[in-house]
Amino acid sequence: DTGVSQDPRHKITKRGQNVTFRCDPISEHNRLYWYRQTLGQGPEFLTYFQNEAQLEKSRLLSDRFSAERPKGSFSTLEIQRTEQGDSAMYLCASSYGQHSNEKLFFGSGTQLSVL
Amino acid sequence: AQTVTQSQPEMSVQEAETVTLSCTYDTSESNYYLFWYKQPPSRQMILVIRQEAYKQQNATENRFSVNFQKAAKSFSLKISDSQLGDTAMYFCAFIMYSGGGADGLTFGKGTHLIIQP
Repeated sequence: DTGVSQDPRHKITKRGQNVTFRCDPISEHNRLYWYRQTLGQGPEFLTYFQNEAQLEKSRLLSDRFSAERPKGSFSTLEIQRTEQGDSAMYLCASSYGQHSNEKLFFGSGTQLSVL
Repeated sequence: AQTVTQSQPEMSVQEAETVTLSCTYDTSESNYYLFWYKQPPSRQMILVIRQEAYKQQNATENRFSVNFQKAAKSFSLKISDSQLGDTAMYFCAFIMYSGGGADGLTFGKGTHLIIQP
């Protein structure tokens, strides 16, 4: 197992376009998280899945954002009608267990630039 | 809401020296976990060390140790015998003990640590 994979690594898009990112967690991990990181800041929590169920969404996640995790395996994060303020690195992380204190394994992120 | 503050935007030390990174946090919770994560230029966040708030003993992982002061809400990271590969952004993070509920980590803004040869 090579860890958490994210695709694409970089995405450049024009304002108003839709984009979709993919995350493949470590295979046996039941918990999957999406975070957003802007320049000079720490990651900010966006949303969380336990298996296929999306259990929590941050207030940061506007209606233009949607995330799915069909069958409890890979996850996708879609941003509709992108805005320049959406430019950031989007990080995916996964863990195994029942509690929030488990070690998170992060992917290398998708860097989004909205022109 | 929980907040995590890292007051040192950047630090630079010579190889083999010891360096301490500061972190303070604010919470009304009594059960929580604290973490230090490392983010090298490859961008992948890597867990360095974890501390349970109910444990008085400070966590240690090889050259990395913490000084956890619960009453002061302080959680500093000490790196001994620093190595060039320690150069990275270091983030302090907090999470409530949810007992199985859904929570996200709250991160500080990070400290850029540079190890000079």
